[in-house]
Amino acid sequence: RKEVEQDPGPFNVPEGATVAFNCTYSNSASQSFFWYRQDCRKEPKLLMSVYSSGNEDGRFTAQLNRASQYISLLIRDSKLSDSATYLCVVNDGNKLVFGAGTILRVKS
Amino acid sequence: DGGITQSPKYLFRKEGQNVTLSCEQNLNHDAMYWYRQDPGQGLRLIYYSQIVNDFQKGDIAEGYSVSREKKESFPLTVTSAQKNPTAFYLCASSMGHERVWYEQYFGPGTRLTVT
Repeated sequence: RKEVEQDPGPFNVPEGATVAFNCTYSNSASQSFFWYRQDCRKEPKLLMSVYSSGNEDGRFTAQLNRASQYISLLIRDSKLSDSATYLCVVNDGNKLVFGAGTILRVKS
Repeated sequence: DGGITQSPKYLFRKEGQNVTLSCEQNLNHDAMYWYRQDPGQGLRLIYYSQIVNDFQKGDIAEGYSVSREKKESFPLTVTSAQKNPTAFYLCASSMGHERVWYEQYFGPGTRLTVT
């Protein structure tokens, strides 16, 4: 089993839609969690840090479920500019472990 | 203008040649990291350094070497021993504390092509 697993997608959604991605992790001792956004052929950029049960920033909400070992990212009112790959990142105490990413395409 | 710079953006080399990728940060971060990204895969850690003059191997260190002589700089050398060096190389930095892993901030990356 991979340490961090994400559905690769792509998720194709219309503008204005709400979309959610899940990410599962295998190490129950994981201590902190992050979502990064990566545009095509660019570097990842930090979107949100998730240190407790969840975090909200504008249209973006991240939730953590330690019992089931997953984190989710919810995007409300999707914009064309949200189109990107979203990386789930888990701090397992030894290093940051990156998922392969979920592709989101928002269409007009 | 704080941030992380990597150079060059694109690099082409012949097989058998060593090549050094530059990474500089002015964020006053203690920790710096090198990752490689291949299509369809997550980032994989090559080397990291949490303090000047000290560094540790990551998951895929074979065929790579680093140095950390200054807090601001963490160059990566891809040696001829690296069997499949063509990849997107990303440098990152973060606040540092021994064995504590904070969120990391990335440079723009270097695309290395070896033929």
